[in-house]
Amino acid sequence: DQQVKQNSPSLSVQEGRISILNCDYTNSMFDYFLWYKKYPAEGPTFLISISSIKDKNEDGRFTVFLNKSAKHLSLHIVPSQPGDSAVYFCAASGNFGNEKLTFGTGTRLTIIP
Amino acid sequence: DTAVSQTPKYLVTQMGNDKSIKCEQNLGHDTMYWYKQDSKKFLKIMFSYNNKELIINETVPNRFSPKSPDKAHLNLHINSLELGDSAVYFCASRTSGTDTQYFGPGTRLTVL
Repeated sequence: DQQVKQNSPSLSVQEGRISILNCDYTNSMFDYFLWYKKYPAEGPTFLISISSIKDKNEDGRFTVFLNKSAKHLSLHIVPSQPGDSAVYFCAASGNFGNEKLTFGTGTRLTIIP
Repeated sequence: DTAVSQTPKYLVTQMGNDKSIKCEQNLGHDTMYWYKQDSKKFLKIMFSYNNKELIINETVPNRFSPKSPDKAHLNLHINSLELGDSAVYFCASRTSGTDTQYFGPGTRLTVL
């Protein structure tokens, strides 16, 4: 029972264009969402997060949008750069008393120079 | 000055052996986690410790035993290794009251 889903296993985007990564969740108790970036042979690196009381959070080239009614969030990267090529994981946590993260299966983003 | 470190990075061993993976964080966090990334690249929580106390145990076989000697360390001991234990194991940490977890580089365990 996968509560966080990333339906696109891979995405290729031209350098300079916008990359949009999507994530859907099923558990309405989730109230905090995070995006992690992962390079091969390294651990996931925290990128950006959003609380369920907001619908948008921006940090430089990265913006996360949250649509609670649709249980959907997206990560926008603009402009995309070659160094953005990595696997991106969406994660969610809720007020379950332990703040464990539930991860999606990841989307491999490739930026084409 | 690594924030969350794990040793070893790679571990190759035979079925039936017992092995340990160590994790240390120098971020001053009070909560630490072990995650397993399986062959399908799915990251799933295994254990969590807060101030040396176990708070999450996600139906992991009891061949896996975490140990937290202090807030900065969370080790994972695995008895009687099986082929299905082959995976990448990630340690993570955070501070109580925040949701962001910081991950170590991972330990790739291969059971032959």
